[in-house]
Amino acid sequence: DIQMTQSPSTLSASVGDRVTITCRASQNVKSWLAWYQQKPGKAPKLLMFKASTLESGVPSRFSGSGSGTEFTLTISSLQPDDFATYYCQQYDTYPWTFGQGTKVEIK
Amino acid sequence: EVQLVESGGGLVQPGGSLRLSCVASGFTFHDHGMHWVRQVPGKGLEWVSGINWDTLRNTVSIGYAASVRGRFTISRDNAKNSVYLQMNSLRTDDTALYYCAKEAHSGAWYIGHYSGQGTLVTVSS
Repeated sequence: DIQMTQSPSTLSASVGDRVTITCRASQNVKSWLAWYQQKPGKAPKLLMFKASTLESGVPSRFSGSGSGTEFTLTISSLQPDDFATYYCQQYDTYPWTFGQGTKVEIK
Repeated sequence: EVQLVESGGGLVQPGGSLRLSCVASGFTFHDHGMHWVRQVPGKGLEWVSGINWDTLRNTVSIGYAASVRGRFTISRDNAKNSVYLQMNSLRTDDTALYYCAKEAHSGAWYIGHYSGQGTLVTVSS
């Protein structure tokens, strides 16, 4: 099975900061990678698919990059609504797998 | 509006069985892959199982997480707009909130929408 490793596990940042989350796959997943945002008590929300394609309605301050085994999610200017936990997920091969999550906290 | 409504969760003893159901509306159900994703409260997401139409091979594609393979079975009834997860030989580490989720759009593969509530499965003696 493909293992997905995110770093960092927790990130403390301030409003306006540029934030980058890294996701590494144990095998090549090409560009079949999605990013989700989850807030406490809520279901996950799709942010990005195919590594770098922004889901409709998601603010343009979110961007994604990478292919193969290394991916990043960047928030260009952190907003109060962005404090949440972020997950990457590969959908190249069954079984699909998530990263362990990155919690973005208020500094 | 897309709606996914789960049922079937509850308290079960280790070794027992449960069948989760998810009824979908607001989209063309038979055209979309469906998935189950679970989350232990306070922990991360775990993809459990999915059922997709593989357009490349013109066949149904089903997958399971290693942790549930051989114990859980996913199925769907397109006439009832429903997807199911039969869970057998349940263990305490299967305790989690189970979300039903749908493919973003036909052929997309990735999950685009999760149910709002999930259904809680508690495995305990």
